[in-house]
Amino acid sequence: ETGVTQSPTHLIKTRGQQVTLRCSSQSGHNTVSWYQQALGQGPQFIFQYYREEENGRGNFPPRFSGLQFPNYSSELNVNALELDDSALYLCASSRGQQGSNTEAFFGQGTRLTVV
Amino acid sequence: DQQVKQNSPSLSVQEGRISILNCDYTNSMFDYFLWYKKYPAEGPTFLISISSIKDKNEDGRFTVFLNKSAKHLSLHIVPSQPGDSAVYFCAASTLSSWGKLQFGAGTQVVVTP
Repeated sequence: ETGVTQSPTHLIKTRGQQVTLRCSSQSGHNTVSWYQQALGQGPQFIFQYYREEENGRGNFPPRFSGLQFPNYSSELNVNALELDDSALYLCASSRGQQGSNTEAFFGQGTRLTVV
Repeated sequence: DQQVKQNSPSLSVQEGRISILNCDYTNSMFDYFLWYKKYPAEGPTFLISISSIKDKNEDGRFTVFLNKSAKHLSLHIVPSQPGDSAVYFCAASTLSSWGKLQFGAGTQVVVTP
């Protein structure tokens, strides 16, 4: 059983550019959530995808968008990058089911630096 | 609006002793709580969880206690080991927002010999 993997591990982008981060969910998991972790803070929920549909969104602007593919892998896209977007981006997968809670398993993260 | 709070940014404990990490929450709708451990340059690793229908859950050296009336939970690690040195995050979710976790800011634990 493979765990959650994210790519790339590190990335440097210029303000105003666009970036795509990728996540492969753990085998058997149909739900992927993305989080942003700024330095010294806990992860902040960006959005979640369940069976290829967005299933909830945190307090992030529309320039943060995502996709989930039929194999349940996922992408996070950020347009018009700002300096404050510099953070660790974490992907978490879980075996989601309406009306039940289950633990989420995280990838190692992508460290994005915007200069 | 920080609904999950870890008020102690750091904790130092001697090897072999008990580590107690605390977490408070404000949203009474939270019904599932989790603890994660994070090493530098790695993603958070799931440790233990508890549902709101319980007040205690144990897994090896880790025990989580939930006090719903006080909106407080704690993680006990006994005995503490040097490999436990990491940042510990408390997280919570509701049944209606399952899988969407709200995290505290974390507590840095250092276990000294």
